[in-house]
Formats: sequence, structure tokens, C-alpha cells
Amino acid sequence: EDQVTQSPEALRLQEGESSSLNCSYTVSGLRGLFWYRQDPGKGPEFLFTLYSAGEEKEKERLKATLTKKESFLHITAPKPEDSATYLCAVPTPRGNTDKLIFGTGTRLQVFP
Amino acid sequence: NAGVTQTPKFRVLKTGQSMTLLCAQDMNHEYMYWYRQDPGMGLRLIHYSVGEGTTAKGEVPDGYNVSRLKKQNFLLGLESAAPSQTSVYFCASTEGGEQFFGPGTRLTVL
Repeated sequence: EDQVTQSPEALRLQEGESSSLNCSYTVSGLRGLFWYRQDPGKGPEFLFTLYSAGEEKEKERLKATLTKKESFLHITAPKPEDSATYLCAVPTPRGNTDKLIFGTGTRLQVFP
Repeated sequence: NAGVTQTPKFRVLKTGQSMTLLCAQDMNHEYMYWYRQDPGMGLRLIHYSVGEGTTAKGEVPDGYNVSRLKKQNFLLGLESAAPSQTSVYFCASTEGGEQFFGPGTRLTVL
């Protein structure tokens, strides 16, 4: 069964304290992996798409990497405004489109 | 561009009442989706559409119906609301690849 697992469930960091979030997946034939950011009371906001092992994408203090079994979201010198829940998702075929399988997210809190 | 919009933002229903959630997108996307998000369970697909006039079931379709009469709109209906349908509902659209989400509707069924 296709599955996405994120860890840790919650992460508390001091401002400037770098860390990584993990997303492990089991799907037959990876066709991409998506990272989203979700602020409280809002919809998920797209961050990155990764398609193949070894690929990396960067945006400000965030860098996403992908291996054959997992993806990492590295946060370098985080600021309080990086506090959010980070979701990862993988697509699986469903009819004429893709169904996204989401992890339950990592809730990040960055304190000044 | 407004992107994906949803109405209403909040709603409280009594058990057995009906309602319709509206999703609209201005990106001319073919594919649209309805998800529900519950604590500890992640986002789960309710129904989806691959184009105007088409709809299909997702993983948790029971108790919901959908319609896509116009390409830009995707409606989610609850005919007889149940407390188990208390959740946050998100609409998303895509032309392929990443999906873009609306701001959500928080629904409480008493």
C-alpha cells in the first residue's frame, strides 16, 4: 500500500538553529514528491516538486532533497516566520489523474 | 489572479441539514479536487474531476456528492450532514503536477 510518513510530528527550534524534517514514502514507481507549507487556518501552499533521486531545490532558508526512499526539508537558520506545518505528498495514478497521498505533517515552531 | 477560492469560510450545521460548498479557480485548470483534513489523518481525497462535466470518487466519498457544470467551478454537496463530517474542507486544482489549494471551509455538524 502506498504510504507517506513524516517525522517528527512536532519540532521546536530556537531562531537560527538549523534542522531537518523527514518524509519517507513507499510507492510503486515514484512520479514526484511535493512539499507544502500550511499556516494555521489556511490552505497548503506549494513549495517544491522533486522528481528524481539526487535532486535538490532551494527557496530562501529551505532546501528539499530526495533519495529513493525519503525526502528531507532542511531549514537553515530559521526565523519565527518559518513556523508552520510542513506537508509532503506523493502522487499515485487514479483514473485519468493523480491522487496525492499526504503525510500528516511536521508542525514547526521557531522561537526568537 | 485570485487562484482558488472557496465559499463559505465557516459553517455550522445541524445533523440532517444539507449544504453546498463552492470552489472556484481562475487558472483554467482541467483537474479539480475536494479534500478533507482531520487532526492526525492528513488530507484525504473525497471526489475529483478531470474536466468539465466529469466527476469521480476519491478515497472517502460516502455522504458527499459533487458537480462540475463549469470548468472553473467544483461544488461539494452534503445531502444529510452527520457529525462525522465535521472537518476542514479544501479544494485544489492543477493542470498537472503540483496542486494549488484554496483557503478552506471549516464545517461543524452538531
